[in-house]
Amino acid sequence: GESVGLHLPTLSVQEGDNSIINCAYSNSASDYFIWYKQESGKGPQFIIDIRSNMDKRQGQRVTVLLNKTVKHLSLQIAATQPGDSAVYFCAETAGGYNKLIFGAGTRLAVHP
Amino acid sequence: EPEVTQTPSHQVTQMGQEVILRCVPISNHLYFYWYRQILGQKVEFLVSFYNNEISEKSEIFDDQFSVERPDGSNFTLKIRSTKLEDSAMYFCASSEAGLAVNNEQFFGPGTRLTVL
Repeated sequence: GESVGLHLPTLSVQEGDNSIINCAYSNSASDYFIWYKQESGKGPQFIIDIRSNMDKRQGQRVTVLLNKTVKHLSLQIAATQPGDSAVYFCAETAGGYNKLIFGAGTRLAVHP
Repeated sequence: EPEVTQTPSHQVTQMGQEVILRCVPISNHLYFYWYRQILGQKVEFLVSFYNNEISEKSEIFDDQFSVERPDGSNFTLKIRSTKLEDSAMYFCASSEAGLAVNNEQFFGPGTRLTVL
C-alpha cells in the first residue's frame, strides 16, 4: 500500500560512489549524536556515533562529521554498495537524558 | 550475537481494546526503551525505564500507556484502550548503560500494531 505521512528525501547513487547524507539538528544543547540505518521491516541499526567534543569520527567505510556552529551532521559512506540501501536517521540527545530524538530520515537508493 | 526480540511481530486489535507488546532485552542490559514509528514518519521516543521505574517519558506516553518488567527477562508496553492513531510500529530498545556514557541502544525488530 501507499505510505502516508512525511515524504522522505531520497539520495540515489551509483554502486561504488561515495554517499553523503545530511542532517540538521535542532537542540544546541545536544551533545551526543548517532546515525542509524533502517532497512525495510526492521528496527534501527546503529552505524556510528560522535560526541560534541569531536568534529569527525571514522568507522569502517563510514565517517561522521559534526559542525556545531550550524548544527549540522553528515554521514559519509565510501564505496556505496547495494546493501547500503536503506533509510538513514540521525539522532541526538542532550547530556544526562536517555531519549533519542530522531530526525526525519533520508532514503538511500544504490543502483548497480 | 545477542539481540533484542519482540513479540508479536504484528498485532491487530479493535479500537478500545487493551494490547500488551512484549520485548526481551539483551540479558546484561539495564536500560530499556520504547519508541514508535507511524508509517512513513520518523521514530519517536515514548519512554525509558531503569531500575524498575520510568526514568523519562514523552508527551505521547499518556495515562493509556504503561510499562512493566514483570520478571528478569521481559519488558512490556501496555496500551489500555487503543485508539486508531496508536497504529504504528513499536520498537523496544535496550542499552547496557545510559547515553551519558556513550552507550549504544540496540533496537528490536518491532511490533506492527494495527488498530481497526
